[in-house]
Parts: sequence; structure tokens; C-alpha cells
Amino acid sequence: DAGVTQSPTHLIKTRGQQVTLRCSPKSGHDTVSWYQQALGQGPQFIFQYYEEEERQRGNFPDRFSGHQFPNYSSELNVNALLLGDSALYLCASSLAVRGAGPSAVFFGPGTRLTVL
Amino acid sequence: GEDVEQSLFLSVREGDSSVINCTYTDSSSTYLYWYKQEPGAGLQLLTYIFSNMDMKQDQRLTVLLNKKDKHLSLRIADTQTGDSAIYFCADGPSGSGGYNKLIFGAGTRLAVHP
Repeated sequence: DAGVTQSPTHLIKTRGQQVTLRCSPKSGHDTVSWYQQALGQGPQFIFQYYEEEERQRGNFPDRFSGHQFPNYSSELNVNALLLGDSALYLCASSLAVRGAGPSAVFFGPGTRLTVL
Repeated sequence: GEDVEQSLFLSVREGDSSVINCTYTDSSSTYLYWYKQEPGAGLQLLTYIFSNMDMKQDQRLTVLLNKKDKHLSLRIADTQTGDSAIYFCADGPSGSGGYNKLIFGAGTRLAVHP
């Protein structure tokens, strides 16, 4: 049973560039969330996708956008990169249960983004 | 607003029990989670507890939830050097639709020494 996978593992970009990160959820899961984890901090929620729509968004600017595909995989796009966007980007998957919160939420290994 | 707080550091001797504490503010929490993160790695789900439970045990792990005080703890029995990592508490608040974010604490760094 494949867990949550993310690509690439590491990425180096320069300020002003654009980046796309990819995530495949755990088999059987339909909901994908993205988190940003700065060094020494806990993960911060960026947004969540279900049925190919953004369902909820954290306190992140519009430079951060995403997409979910029919096979439930997802992409995170960040435009006009800033030095402060350097972080570990984590993808989380879960199975939505209508009328209740998510149960088990599994994370991928993350993509380490460095902006120079 | 929603907030989760943890102590930043805990040092224990190998073989002793470790207790990591967490407090949260959201009274509508549905699930509460414990994750482990080793250096350079993602988050490993250790366990989670539904908000109507007081305790959950899973092998060496025991989770205690005091909903009145909004306090969550993780006890690791017979702590080993392989348990050295950062442990995150996360709050899964309830809301409409059932599709909700997790709110994380800053993490507790557990150091296990011989």
C-alpha cells in the first residue's frame, strides 16, 4: 500500500521564479492538503483540495495556488518566489467523511524548497 | 483564535517513560493527533484520539485527553534512543463539510540519553 508521495525531494530556485510541487495521496484517500514548515516551526496550513476544488485556505497570499486532478493527485504552485518561501512543503492526505472531521491524516516526506 | 502550545524540549534517560504535553484552545476539536518528525523527514502519524475519548493506548504509546482543560499528553513507555525526534501535537477542529485543516504546535524535541 503506497503512502503519500511527493516530488521532487529538493528544489533550488531564485527569487521571482515560479515552482510546482507534486503530491500523490495514499491509496483510497480523496482529500489533499498542503502545509508549509519553516525551519524550527510547526507546519502551517496552506490549503485543502477535495473533488478538484479548493475547500479551505490558510493565511497565505494568492501567489500560492493549487490544483487537484481526477485521480486525486495534487499540485502546489508558488509564483514570484521570495526568500521567505524557503521551507519544507508537506502534502497530507485523508479520506473525507461527510458530517465529521477527517480521521487519520498521513503526510508525505516533503519537498525542501530553497529560494536564493 | 485557534492555538496549540507545547513545551519545546524534553530530555529523558533510556528506559524511562517520556511524557509530552500539549494544550489547545479550540473547543470544537474533533480529533487530536501526535506526529513524530526525524531530521530531514516528513511527519509520521503516531496516533490520534477522537475528542469523546479520554485515553487511547497503542503498544508503548498512551494518549490522555482532558477535554475540560483542553490538555493532551503523549506517554512513551521504555523510551529508546530511536525515539529521539521532534513530536508535534495537532488539533483537528470540527466545522462544516468535514474537510478541515490541522493546527500544529511548535513541536517538542525529545532527547534520549544513555
